[in-house]
Amino acid sequence: QAVVTQEPSLTVSPGGTVTLTCGSSTGTVTSGHYPYWFQQKPGQAPRTLIYDTSNRHSWTPARFSGSLLGGKAALTLSGAQPEDEADYYCLLSYSASKVFGGGTKLTVL
Amino acid sequence: EVQLLESGGGLVQPGGSLRLSCAASGYTFSTYAINWVRQAPGKGLEWVSGISAGGDNTYYADSVKGRFTISRDNSKNTLFLQMNSLRAEDTAVYYCAKALWDLWGRGTLVSVSS
Repeated sequence: QAVVTQEPSLTVSPGGTVTLTCGSSTGTVTSGHYPYWFQQKPGQAPRTLIYDTSNRHSWTPARFSGSLLGGKAALTLSGAQPEDEADYYCLLSYSASKVFGGGTKLTVL
Repeated sequence: EVQLLESGGGLVQPGGSLRLSCAASGYTFSTYAINWVRQAPGKGLEWVSGISAGGDNTYYADSVKGRFTISRDNSKNTLFLQMNSLRAEDTAVYYCAKALWDLWGRGTLVSVSS
C-alpha cells in the first residue's frame, strides 16, 4: 500500500501565506489521484476543503486553494486567520484503495 | 437534515467482534458510494473500507483485509462494518463518510482491550 507524506507541522503568521504538500511513495501525484484536503479541529469530525485537486466546496473560504506543485498536491492558505489553526490531511486515491497522509498540524502564531 | 449517524461502538476484548452501523438521512443513499475511516487516539486519519453505490464492489485497507466486512442495505439507508478478530490497534473513532467526502458522521468509538 502506498505511503502519503505531509509535513508534520508548520507555522504561519496571521495574515501570512503557507503551503502544505502531499507526496506519494509511488511517484508524482497527478490529478488522477483525485487529491482531497481536509481540515480537522480538536473534537470535531474532518471537513473537506478541497476536492479533485483544486475545487472548493461552498463552505470553503476563498483563502484556501489547491494545486499540483513539484510532483505533489499542495494546499495554499493565503491570509491565514487564527481560526485556521487545525490539523490538515490530504487523501489520494489509488485504483482500489485510498490513503490519507499523516497530517500537518498548522499553527497560526 | 442531511446527516450520517454512526452507532455500535464500544469496548470489546481482543479477538472479539463488533458490528458498526451508519444511518444516512437527507440524501439519496443508494446513489453514492460510502466509506469507513478511523482515527486512533491522538493519531491521524486512516481509510478503512469503501463500498460502491449498489454494494457490488468493496474495497479494504491492507490492515483490515480478511477481518472486516463492509456492506450496505439501501432499503434502510444504512451502512455496516462487521469487525472480527479485533486487535488493540483497531482502537479508534470510526467515521462513515459519503463518497465525494462532503458529508461525515460524528464517529463512534471502538476500544479493544482486555
